[in-house]
Amino acid sequence: DGGITQSPKYLFRKEGQNVTLSCEQNLNHDAMYWYRQDPGQGLRLIYYSQIVNDFQKGDIAEGYSVSREKKESFPLTVTSAQKNPTAFYLCASSIVSAARDEQFFGPGTRLTVL
Amino acid sequence: ELKVEQNPLFLSMQEGKNYTIYCNYSTTSDRLYWYRQDPGKSLESLFVLLSNGAVKQEGRLMASLDTKARLSTLHITAAVHDLSATYFCAVDKETSGSRLTFGEGTQLTVNP
Repeated sequence: DGGITQSPKYLFRKEGQNVTLSCEQNLNHDAMYWYRQDPGQGLRLIYYSQIVNDFQKGDIAEGYSVSREKKESFPLTVTSAQKNPTAFYLCASSIVSAARDEQFFGPGTRLTVL
Repeated sequence: ELKVEQNPLFLSMQEGKNYTIYCNYSTTSDRLYWYRQDPGKSLESLFVLLSNGAVKQEGRLMASLDTKARLSTLHITAAVHDLSATYFCAVDKETSGSRLTFGEGTQLTVNP
């Protein structure tokens, strides 16, 4: 089955720690994205990547870092510089096409700072 | 800066009734998406609207796009309880690839 997987489903972080969220896709999509969702709000774009070894900052990149070493994988690191990281994190992917580039979402990781 | 506004943000309706959710956006775009989110879950794609005047229907939901008015609507016909969820519109501000800006979402509750 093709799809997007995220792990872990739940993650707890102590203040001052860096944590890494995993996102893998087997849809052969070129583009991958990370979003943050706070309770009762829409999604905000953190980082996105349209090609291996290249990525761009989204609207709220401060305190986060990413890498794109493989087409299938786009891990997100939440660093200690992110002052309020408790949120629901969603990874998405899409083909890169002017005609149709609908984004498909993974199941999400819920991060809580203790 | 692209802004996307949905209204209403909260909607409680009875089964069998009709209603419309509105999505306004602030800058030119001809690509708009509707997603559904159940509590604690991820987003499910509902509609992709890629041109002015686009209309798509799936079951009791129908979405339309007016790029001149910068407005999309999601119309619900004869609502049923299973439609209870949060609905998001998202606008793509890029000319290639995809960079979405989401509205705040409309939390729909359909009461028996």
